[in-house]
Amino acid sequence: GNSVTQMEGPVTLSEEAFLTINCTYTATGYPSLFWYVQYPGEGLQLLLKATKADDKGSNKGFEATYRKETTSFHLEKGSVQVSDSAVYFCALRSGANSKLTFGKGITLSVRP
Amino acid sequence: GAVVSQHPSRVICKSGTSVKIECRSLDFQATTMFWYRQFPKKSLMLMATSNEGSKATYEQGVEKDKFLINHASLTLSTLTVTSAHPEDSSFYICSASESRGGLETQYFGPGTRLLVL
Repeated sequence: GNSVTQMEGPVTLSEEAFLTINCTYTATGYPSLFWYVQYPGEGLQLLLKATKADDKGSNKGFEATYRKETTSFHLEKGSVQVSDSAVYFCALRSGANSKLTFGKGITLSVRP
Repeated sequence: GAVVSQHPSRVICKSGTSVKIECRSLDFQATTMFWYRQFPKKSLMLMATSNEGSKATYEQGVEKDKFLINHASLTLSTLTVTSAHPEDSSFYICSASESRGGLETQYFGPGTRLLVL
């Protein structure tokens, strides 16, 4: 079956630090990959996505590249801000149905 | 962009009562909507998939008689928690699926926090 594994958290960084959040997956076929962000007290927002191998999704300074050879979709940002403090979820969708499979999420806290 | 709303955002109810949560896609039509439950510091658990005009498909372990889902139109799905108990207290999130250019993307509502006393 499908599964998504995210690195253990929480992660605490200083403002302007480099961010990497690891995500690996197991899936049948050729999944689409997503990163969602959940700010405190809010629902999930789509941050970025990639639908095929070697695609790079990017948004708000965040990037993630679909690596089929390593089955990974790591999230990166060169310089984090306090406003990036949130919970980040990696997810995949595979097959004909629309179901998303989520990782456990990781909490990012950015200190001024 | 695609916007999904939920109402109410917070609800407190007494044990044994029923609570209805609405999920609306505001600027697109969604043939498929999803209902999730999120426990503190945990990932989202898919409860059911709701298709407009047909019965919802429930995930294993989710009681269909307790969590009633209705998807009456392409922009509205409702989740009713019947005879709520304290263990039903949780954060409930819906999402709506939009298809554009052959690509499907799920957009999430802001969530509804339910507290059962």
